[in-house]
Amino acid sequence: KAGVTQTPRYLIKTRGQQVTLSCSPISGHRSVSWYQQTPGQGLQFLFEYFSETQRNKGNFPGRFSGRQFSNSRSEMNVSTLELGDSALYLCASSLAGLGANTGELFFGEGSRLTVL
Amino acid sequence: AQKVTQAQTEISVVEKEDVTLDCVYETRDTTYYLFWYKQPPSGELVFLIRRNSFDEQNEISGRYSWNFQKSTSSFNFTITASQVVDSAVYFCALTGSSNTGKLIFGQGTTLQVKP
Repeated sequence: KAGVTQTPRYLIKTRGQQVTLSCSPISGHRSVSWYQQTPGQGLQFLFEYFSETQRNKGNFPGRFSGRQFSNSRSEMNVSTLELGDSALYLCASSLAGLGANTGELFFGEGSRLTVL
Repeated sequence: AQKVTQAQTEISVVEKEDVTLDCVYETRDTTYYLFWYKQPPSGELVFLIRRNSFDEQNEISGRYSWNFQKSTSSFNFTITASQVVDSAVYFCALTGSSNTGKLIFGQGTTLQVKP
């Protein structure tokens, strides 16, 4: 079956602009998580959505937001871009999250954002 | 607070050598879950293994094996007879909650396997 699909794969923006990234999870998966990966900070959790509701949130400023649609597709938005927002943004999906005895996250290839 | 430490930033080996990637974790949760992921140059994180805290049994999968020791809070990963295709960044991760998509990742270990 198709994996997690993220679009766009690459994009370049300038400071102050805003950006929207899209993630289509594996069919049947209801949980979508977003991560930011940078050389300095590594992989950091942004937020998770489950059945259109934000279930968990990481320690990022309010400029970072997201949403999930009824078909489980998710978008994340970053407003007022800063140079430090340059990163690989990874989306991961799972059936319902990391359950008590099973469950894993399936990751997409990411959207690489460069802020100039 | 939860934390995962991968002290080895980069490891370089010659093909067919065995290599062990270290992972030490910190958590106050009595129940928690540990993972290893591989990240090839394409960027996608590939799931390798999940271990629940109540299951200390070690695991072997082909050339891969994992040693989970609660007493030392470690979850080490060994590749036997390494191959060039094993070259990638490897991440150890932890979560203390079920029904979540949140993982705490270590900084990753870059493994280079030379022919």
